[in-house]
Amino acid sequence: GAVVSQHPSRVICKSGTSVKIECRSLDFQATTMFWYRQFPKKSLMLMATSNEGSKATYEQGVEKDKFLINHASLTLSTLTVTSAHPEDSSFYICSASGLVRTDTQYFGPGTRLTVL
Amino acid sequence: RKEVEQDPGPFNVPEGATVAFNCTYSNSASQSFFWYRQDCRKEPKLLMSVYSSGNEDGRFTAQLNRASQYISLLIRDSKLSDSATYLCVVNMNTGFQKLVFGTGTRLLVSP
Repeated sequence: GAVVSQHPSRVICKSGTSVKIECRSLDFQATTMFWYRQFPKKSLMLMATSNEGSKATYEQGVEKDKFLINHASLTLSTLTVTSAHPEDSSFYICSASGLVRTDTQYFGPGTRLTVL
Repeated sequence: RKEVEQDPGPFNVPEGATVAFNCTYSNSASQSFFWYRQDCRKEPKLLMSVYSSGNEDGRFTAQLNRASQYISLLIRDSKLSDSATYLCVVNMNTGFQKLVFGTGTRLLVSP
């Protein structure tokens, strides 16, 4: 149980385009979803926390207008990187926590974004 | 001071060896602690939680020392498949769940 999927697993795009990443909890209801970013040889950095049906809470230094997060249902959250630039190239990972084990996050497989 | 600090390694050990990693955290109010494992270019996977005085799961033992604000992970009888990066993770408990990740300790187990 507690499976989280992400789509796409890898995306290459041109500078200036927008990219949408989906995060789905497959077998549980995710009351909270988290979006992380990881640069090579660095630790995961929390970007934002989203609760179903409400606005996401962004970490300091993360531009909410650039990284749009939507958590419209208990099984789906999306992250849209708007007007992507090469410096946005990174490994984006979502995680989800549910109703039962609220202190445990289950991670998706990640999306590797490369902006040319 | 970093919120969660780990020795990046790498730790190079032969198969069958016992290896230990330490991690320190800065927020004394932190309540829950975890060890995650991350393979190259993959997502982190929960290895074990550490809630009170420690936790053991097979070859893996995690200990918590609240007074000194560190947790440790001990791996006995290392396997080649244990080669990975081990992430120390702390829940900062700032009113809602917020996990802070260490940069990880890389382990290489050789034949």
